[in-house]
Amino acid sequence: GAGVSQSPSNKVTEKGKDVELRCDPISGHTALYWYRQSLGQGLEFLIYFQGNSAPDKSGLPSDRFSAERTGGSVSTLTIQRTQQEDSAVYLCASSKGPTGELFFGEGSRLTVL
Amino acid sequence: EDQVTQSPEALRLQEGESSSLNCSYTVSGLRGLFWYRQDPGKGPEFLFTLYSAGEEKEKERLKATLTKKESFLHITAPKPEDSATYLCAVQGQDGDYKLSFGAGTTVTVRA
Repeated sequence: GAGVSQSPSNKVTEKGKDVELRCDPISGHTALYWYRQSLGQGLEFLIYFQGNSAPDKSGLPSDRFSAERTGGSVSTLTIQRTQQEDSAVYLCASSKGPTGELFFGEGSRLTVL
Repeated sequence: EDQVTQSPEALRLQEGESSSLNCSYTVSGLRGLFWYRQDPGKGPEFLFTLYSAGEEKEKERLKATLTKKESFLHITAPKPEDSATYLCAVQGQDGDYKLSFGAGTTVTVRA
């Protein structure tokens, strides 16, 4: 399909391990967002990429979190030295621009044991 | 910092029983207010954008309205397939483009 694709859909890891989550946005969408959703909570903003501009990293909770977007397309969210409080669903979204009309993937569910 | 509060947290309706969801917001200049629908295990799906007070948008049994402090999502004669979590989000005019989301209202419609 032509939607936002995220992988893996589920990831179980041990505390202290590093994890990488991948997002393939809709072709032609210049804006890409990462959000985190914990059980029963709202969406927490993590990072925003728009074209070739410097990303807005203001939502990253600690320096263990980083993200990159290669070639204006695929993005990878990396969490180093995972902690149990990192357990959540990580959602990626893309849009044609900074319009607010976001197209979300189905998320990557991360469980840190 | 932009803030969004949604109420109630949960709403149980009988099929055909109309109701409204509330979204109160605080933002330093509103660029847009957005409603999304989220089904269990899925990512949110865009429903509406509202830009200024007095604006209304409709889609099937859903109608969204906006004032300077809050937005309402009215569900008219709901059906079981309207069961979902409805999320409200705002985008401010302060130079960044992130959306700030509320915690959502989970609507359950019984046949």
